[in-house]
Amino acid sequence: QVQLVQSGAEVKKPGASVKVSCKASGYTFSSYGITWVRQAPGQGLEWMGWISAYNGNTNYVQKLQGRVTMTTDTSTSTAYMELRSLRSDDTAVYYCARDDQLLDYWGQGTLVTVSS
Amino acid sequence: DIVMTQTPLSLSVNPGQPASISCKSSQSLLHSDGKTYLYWYLQKPGQSPQLLIYEVSSRFSGVPDRFSGSGSGTDFTLRISRVEAEDVGVYYCMQGIHLRTFGQGTKVEIK
Repeated sequence: QVQLVQSGAEVKKPGASVKVSCKASGYTFSSYGITWVRQAPGQGLEWMGWISAYNGNTNYVQKLQGRVTMTTDTSTSTAYMELRSLRSDDTAVYYCARDDQLLDYWGQGTLVTVSS
Repeated sequence: DIVMTQTPLSLSVNPGQPASISCKSSQSLLHSDGKTYLYWYLQKPGQSPQLLIYEVSSRFSGVPDRFSGSGSGTDFTLRISRVEAEDVGVYYCMQGIHLRTFGQGTKVEIK
């Protein structure tokens, strides 16, 4: 069965970076993309960007351009999302989802807390 | 950027009664390939979002047939024919024709 398992919760100081992982299993990793979505406390879903696990092509939401980098490691079927220069408003649960146009399988979420 | 607008933002429904959520996009979601890239997700309390409907009206695997989607172009609707207790949560529409954008979400609760 398809599973996406994300790394554990993180606490970071403002200005630091965080790298969240998303390990896929149960399907051919390179045949799909991975989308990253975040959800601030009590707020809605925000699409962050997408990466092709086939060729590494990416698309990022404009507001995060320059601060976010999405990568994949096909040898371990793992996707990564790195966010730099963290601010308090980056505090959120970060989700990965398998992307074949539809986001059909989601990770369990990773809470990233940015606090001094 | 495509803006997705959902109404209402909250809904309180008696069990067994129908419910309806509207989603409007700022641009047509009809692609030149003939598909319309509109999706519906449900986020139950404390859980990750789950896919309900894709391409306007196709139910994802395992989704009960009390859920249905309709619409075209820029106007879409999710209907629940008879709301059950397990349907509580926040419903989001999402466009997939140009990158991705979610609606604000509609919170559904049971009266």
